[in-house]
Amino acid sequence: GDSVTQMEGPVTLSEEAFLTINCTYTATGYPSLFWYVQYPGEGLQLLLKATKADDKGSNKGFEATYRKETTSFHLEKGSVQVSDSAVYFCALTRSNFGNEKLTFGTGTRLTIIP
Amino acid sequence: EAGVAQSPRYKIIEKRQSVAFWCNPISGHATLYWYQQILGQGPKLLIQFQNNGVVDDSQLPKDRFSAERLKGVDSTLKIQPAKLEDSAVYLCASSQGGTISYEQYFGPGTRLTVT
Repeated sequence: GDSVTQMEGPVTLSEEAFLTINCTYTATGYPSLFWYVQYPGEGLQLLLKATKADDKGSNKGFEATYRKETTSFHLEKGSVQVSDSAVYFCALTRSNFGNEKLTFGTGTRLTIIP
Repeated sequence: EAGVAQSPRYKIIEKRQSVAFWCNPISGHATLYWYQQILGQGPKLLIQFQNNGVVDDSQLPKDRFSAERLKGVDSTLKIQPAKLEDSAVYLCASSQGGTISYEQYFGPGTRLTVT
């Protein structure tokens, strides 16, 4: 079945450091890929998405590129801030036709220290 | 636009007791999802509704879990009887559905502790 494998956490970085959180997936067909973020005390929020190979999703300085050849969707940010401290989830849906369940990775807890 | 509402936010029960969670999706959203998030794991879909019909309940432990979505709006998830391994955060999400916008919006979750 479909699955998502994420970089083990927790990850602790200093402010302004470069961030990479690795994500690889296993799925048949042409999945859509997502990064969700969960800030302390809040619900899951969509951070960015990509629906086809070579698409780049971006939001709030974060980026991720859909790489079909390596089945990856790594999350990157050039300069992290304390406010980026949260849990990040990589996820996929089986298609981009809508109404599909999300299959999530286990999450990576990120802590940014000033 | 109001978000997805869930209640209660926290619940502590003893094993073998019953519990119910309530979800009010974003107005106009046809699709509603219930996910279970066990500590240290990603959310896992329990059941998906399209309006008031069930689309996918393949991961729902039907011997103890039940869910309904009356009139295609609010939804209730029930556990009876609860087991220790049901301790988790129960997340409700909704989406407009179709190809216009299928982004899922999540509620704050209900944290269940079974002792």
